[in-house]
Amino acid sequence: QSALTQPPSASGSPGQSVTISCTGTSSDVGAYNSVCWYQQHPGKAPKVIIYEFTKRPSGVPDRFSGSKSGNTASLTVSGLQAEDEADYYCSSYAGSDNLVFGGGTKLTVL
Amino acid sequence: QVQLQESGPGLVKPSETLSLTCIVSGGSISGYYWSWIRQPPGKGLEWIGYIYIGYFNSETIRYNPSLKSRVTISAETPKNQVSLQLTSVTAADTAKYYCARHPVVAAFAHGFDYWGQGTLVTVSS
Repeated sequence: QSALTQPPSASGSPGQSVTISCTGTSSDVGAYNSVCWYQQHPGKAPKVIIYEFTKRPSGVPDRFSGSKSGNTASLTVSGLQAEDEADYYCSSYAGSDNLVFGGGTKLTVL
Repeated sequence: QVQLQESGPGLVKPSETLSLTCIVSGGSISGYYWSWIRQPPGKGLEWIGYIYIGYFNSETIRYNPSLKSRVTISAETPKNQVSLQLTSVTAADTAKYYCARHPVVAAFAHGFDYWGQGTLVTVSS
């Protein structure tokens, strides 16, 4: 069982918005400004798309946005495009030099 | 452009030791954190541990508590490579193993900015 809880799947039609949640505890997500989101296409390595809950690395479209509420982080993909179909993982620092990941969410673009 | 390339045996027998190497090109391993992360087939990601190489050959190493008793991460600065050893493997250790770089920011806050393509290791007799 993963340390952070994500829904196993999410879906939306092209142009729509989809939000994926990542629920932790007051010892990880709720304690540190360190949640990241990764996008992973089949057979590829993950790619960081959000860091520190809300920031986007250079080159990541602004259709991707992150937020936080208490012990839950969320990733919103707006204006869904076919190429957004992928697996998405959250991660959080959990203290004591430990990093935990979510179980992943498979995003399907209908 | 920084590139990471993992290598090692694709098949390891149960109870034996898994050994992998990550060769880094396009930049020095000094001054960065280098993590190993694994992903069982069809499953999620698990952080294994990291090594930080300081500019005066100092090293900081940390491991996932759940794997700490079986893991060793090391580095060879002249070869610009990082290594992973995992002892007493079982079928549960079957996974794609990635090495990844993260910048010197506290609490993994900026995430992993460079990844290798990963190498699949199967534990089977």
